[in-house]
Amino acid sequence: DTTVKQNPRYKLARVGKPVNLICSQTMNHDTMYWYQKKPNQAPKLLLFYYDKILNREADTFEKFQSSRPNNSFCSLYIGSAGLEYSAMYLCASSRSGCQDTQYFGPGTRLLVL
Amino acid sequence: SQWGEENLQALSIQEGEDVTMNCSYKTYTTVVHWYRQDSGRGPALIILIRSNEREKRSGRLRATLDTSSQSSSLSITAAQCEDTAVYFCATTGYQNFYFGKGTSLTVIP
Repeated sequence: DTTVKQNPRYKLARVGKPVNLICSQTMNHDTMYWYQKKPNQAPKLLLFYYDKILNREADTFEKFQSSRPNNSFCSLYIGSAGLEYSAMYLCASSRSGCQDTQYFGPGTRLLVL
Repeated sequence: SQWGEENLQALSIQEGEDVTMNCSYKTYTTVVHWYRQDSGRGPALIILIRSNEREKRSGRLRATLDTSSQSSSLSITAAQCEDTAVYFCATTGYQNFYFGKGTSLTVIP
């Protein structure tokens, strides 16, 4: 089973409110990633966990938090949503590092009003 | 930015035609991944080419990689309606993974 699951599929949030997105995989992959994708733009890597080690991109460091309580689950947390956070959020996992094939979930479409 | 030239934004072709999508990148990479994304789904890997390969084939797909010019291409032979999707190339850097903007391909019956 190469399925990566994401919940919820759609999320409506108010400006200033927190948002928590969930991702899970049962492939025992070491690495889990979160991407943000806006229309007509490339998916942008926000952060990834290699095992228990979190790596966050410099330009999104303060905007997104994440946790990985176990190998299968990874969350993406926005403490205070702004309009600019409206986007598709894609979760992916890979067996090891960035060189490996990434398996993507269907995404969570977040709309901030 | 990891990317040099921007990818084509949209392509529309007739069923049965061949199509080639190109991408170029700026920094060193050892692998170029090509993903396709269907509407409502996440990207899925369709072909991967490593820096020691110049060409890779998989069914009707053909990927090329020119490390000297830092460019890659994806060709689809005899396109079919089910090839309609957005295609992304992606490269791996040190602890990072860069996607290009993607090409929206529409195959018209």
